[in-house]
Amino acid sequence: DIQMTQSPSSLSASVGDRVIITCRASHIISSYLNWYQQKPGRAPKLLIFAASSLQSGVPSRFSGSRTGTEFTLTISSLQPEDFATYYCQQSYTTPVTFGPGTRVDIK
Amino acid sequence: EVQLVESGGGLVQPGGSLRLSCEASGFTSSNYWMNWVRQAPGKGLEWVANINLDGSEKNYVGSVRGRFTISRDNTKNSLYLQMNSLGAEDTAVYYCTRLQASGNFYYMDVWGKGTTVTVSS
Repeated sequence: DIQMTQSPSSLSASVGDRVIITCRASHIISSYLNWYQQKPGRAPKLLIFAASSLQSGVPSRFSGSRTGTEFTLTISSLQPEDFATYYCQQSYTTPVTFGPGTRVDIK
Repeated sequence: EVQLVESGGGLVQPGGSLRLSCEASGFTSSNYWMNWVRQAPGKGLEWVANINLDGSEKNYVGSVRGRFTISRDNTKNSLYLQMNSLGAEDTAVYYCTRLQASGNFYYMDVWGKGTTVTVSS
């Protein structure tokens, strides 16, 4: 199975900050990488698919990129509603696997 | 409105069985692969199983293979997960998700609110 890692596991940030979350895969997965946001008690929500494609309706402050086997999710200017946990997920092969999550909370 | 609604969760004793259901509305579920994803209390997301359009292809994560069975009834726009030989490690919120495709890229674009399964004596 492909293992996904994320860093950091948690971070504290202020409204307006630029936030970068990194995800790595244990094998080459091309751009088969998706990002989800989950708020407490809620279902996950798709943000980014295919490493860098913004899902319809998601604010443009969210962006994704890939450099080799490293993927990043960037929030250009953190908003109050962005405090949540973020998960990456590879869709290159079955079983689909998720990263352990990065929790973003208020500094 | 595109929506997935899960049901069937509850408290079950170790070794017991439970059947989860997921009803789709606002879209034709027979046009999509469908998934179950679970989340244990305070933990991350774990993909459990998926099923193709007509139910002829099914895939499972190793920890549930042989115990869980995914199925669908396209006439009812519904997805199911039959769970047998349940253990404490199966305690989780179970989400039903739709698998969307864009070219060769696949992603879960619609999620239900989840149904909670608790395995305990």
